[in-house]
Formats: sequence, C-alpha cells, structure tokens
Amino acid sequence: GAGVSQSPRYKVAKRGQDVALRCDPISGHVSLFWYQQALGQGPEFLTYFQNEAQLDKSGLPSDRFFAERPEGSVSTLKIQRTQQEDSAVYLCASSLAWSGTETYNEQFFGPGTRLTVL
Amino acid sequence: EDQVTQSPEALRLQEGESSSLNCSYTVSGLRGLFWYRQDPGKGPEFLFTLYSAGEEKEKERLKATLTKKESFLHITAPKPEDSATYLCAVHAGNQFYFGTGTSLTVIP
Repeated sequence: GAGVSQSPRYKVAKRGQDVALRCDPISGHVSLFWYQQALGQGPEFLTYFQNEAQLDKSGLPSDRFFAERPEGSVSTLKIQRTQQEDSAVYLCASSLAWSGTETYNEQFFGPGTRLTVL
Repeated sequence: EDQVTQSPEALRLQEGESSSLNCSYTVSGLRGLFWYRQDPGKGPEFLFTLYSAGEEKEKERLKATLTKKESFLHITAPKPEDSATYLCAVHAGNQFYFGTGTSLTVIP
C-alpha cells in the first residue's frame, strides 16, 4: 500500500519487558515523527527525524525510550523496561519535508500500535 | 508554556445543524496550525493547514479560519459520516502540539 504502516498493531508486554515498534513511512518522505496518544487525549510529540538524523527528541519521556532511523526510511521506537504508564497508542507520521508549502508539511499518519503493559 | 486547548470536548448535532469547533493556542513562534480528523482505531487524517491570521480554507462541509490566538472549524449542514474526533495541532519549532480534540456526533 501507499500509506504509512506500523507493526505490530497491538502489543501486550509484561512490566519490565523491552518492546520495539516499527514504522514504515511513505516512500520518499524525508520527515518522520513519533507520537504517543493516551486514551481520550491528543497525540503527544515524542521525536522527529529528517532522513536519518534525529533532530528533536525532547518529547521522549525518559531514557527508557529510544528511536532510530538508520537508513532514513524505516524507523523503530524502542522502549526498555516497560512500565504501566507506557500503555498508549504510538503513532508514526511522515511528510515529504518539513518546511515550505502546505504540500510538504502535510503529515500522513499510520494506524498506530496499541501497547498494553500489564 | 506552549498550550493548545480545544472546545467543546464533545458535541452532538442533528444532521443539518451547523456549528463551530474552537482551538485556542498559546505558543511562541507559530509556524502553522493544522486540523485533523480521527476515527476510532485509526491515525489522524489531515484536513487543513493555516499559516497566518485571516487565512481561511474550505473543504466540502468544513471551513477552517485562523486568528492570532485561535482557530475555528466550521461545519455546515453536517452529515452522520462527519462524526469523528477533530484534532487541532500547532507547529512551533520542530514540534507539534496537539489539543485533546472535540468528539463530534452527528445524529441522523
């Protein structure tokens, strides 16, 4: 398909386990964003990549959260030693670029990964 | 502190009953304001971007407007398929700040 895909769609982890969430952006999209969305809330920014460079990671809630995009396409969000407060939907979005006109700034979101930590 | 507030939290409309959703913001260096629609179990779907006060955008039954402190999403003669959560987000620096959304239900 042509959209942003995320896997897995659902993940259940025991407290203390490590998890890895994958995002496949739209081909050719330079910018990639990760968000965390708690139930009934709006998405909260976690981190932003331009190609393989992580330009902003100020939204990552703790040093247990780590994101990478080594080849400038697929990205992985890793959460170490998961806690119950990490339970949320993790959304990935990509855009052509992140400056200039509206066409470039439009973010396309994936369906999200729902993480439940028991 | 940068903040985005949406109101009302929930809105129920009869089919054909027009209304407006509000997004007020306090951010430094606004670079753009975005409206999204989110259906249950799905990621947000882009609707509009507004960049400067006075700007307006329209798409079907939706019209978005922007002032220096807030944005409105006007829904004209809504249909049941317009039922969704509408999210507002502002772009400042490298970050996006989302509001908590307005849950819209349109009753046939």
